[in-house]
Amino acid sequence: EIVLTQSPATLSLSPGERATLSCRASESVNFYLAWYQQKPGQAPRLLIYDASKRAIGVPARFSGSGSGTDFTLTISSLEPEDFALYYCQQRTWPPTFGQGTRAEV
Amino acid sequence: EVQLVESGGGLVQPGGSLRLSCAASGFTFNNFWMHWVRQSPRTGLAWVARINPDGSDTKYADSVKGRFTISRDNAKNTLFLQMNSLRADDTAVYYCARESNMAAYNFVSWGQGTLVTVSS
Repeated sequence: EIVLTQSPATLSLSPGERATLSCRASESVNFYLAWYQQKPGQAPRLLIYDASKRAIGVPARFSGSGSGTDFTLTISSLEPEDFALYYCQQRTWPPTFGQGTRAEV
Repeated sequence: EVQLVESGGGLVQPGGSLRLSCAASGFTFNNFWMHWVRQSPRTGLAWVARINPDGSDTKYADSVKGRFTISRDNAKNTLFLQMNSLRADDTAVYYCARESNMAAYNFVSWGQGTLVTVSS
């Protein structure tokens, strides 16, 4: 199965700053890469699918890019509610998740 | 509003069984593929199983194949996961999730999760 490696493990930033999160796949997943946000005590929330498409209701400050094995989630200007865990997920068979990046103040 | 409410979790001994349920509302349940996804501190998020809208087609992660069975009752808008021969490494929060209609195996709606603990 494809292994997804996220970096960094923790991202320490301030509100208003730009966040760049990375996800690297052990082999090509084409553009079949999604990003989820998870807050404490909540289920994950789909943010981005197919590398760059925003899910319904996701603010424009979230954007995704990449293809093949290297992907990036960018938050253009961090809002207080964006400090959370972020996971990438690929949807080739079998689907797998990365281990997460924590965005903290 | 889409709602998914899981139930049935709890403490079970190794080798035991549990049946999880997920009550769905706010959407046309029998139009969507549905999944179970689990999360544990040790292994993180992991996809478990998938079922097609009419229940005739299922897929499983290798780690649960032969032990877990996903099913659905479209008349009752309910998804199930029968878990047998449970092991310690099955300990996790189990989420039911609705598949995106834009991308297979992406999960657009999630329940709040139900905790399964396998321990003697």
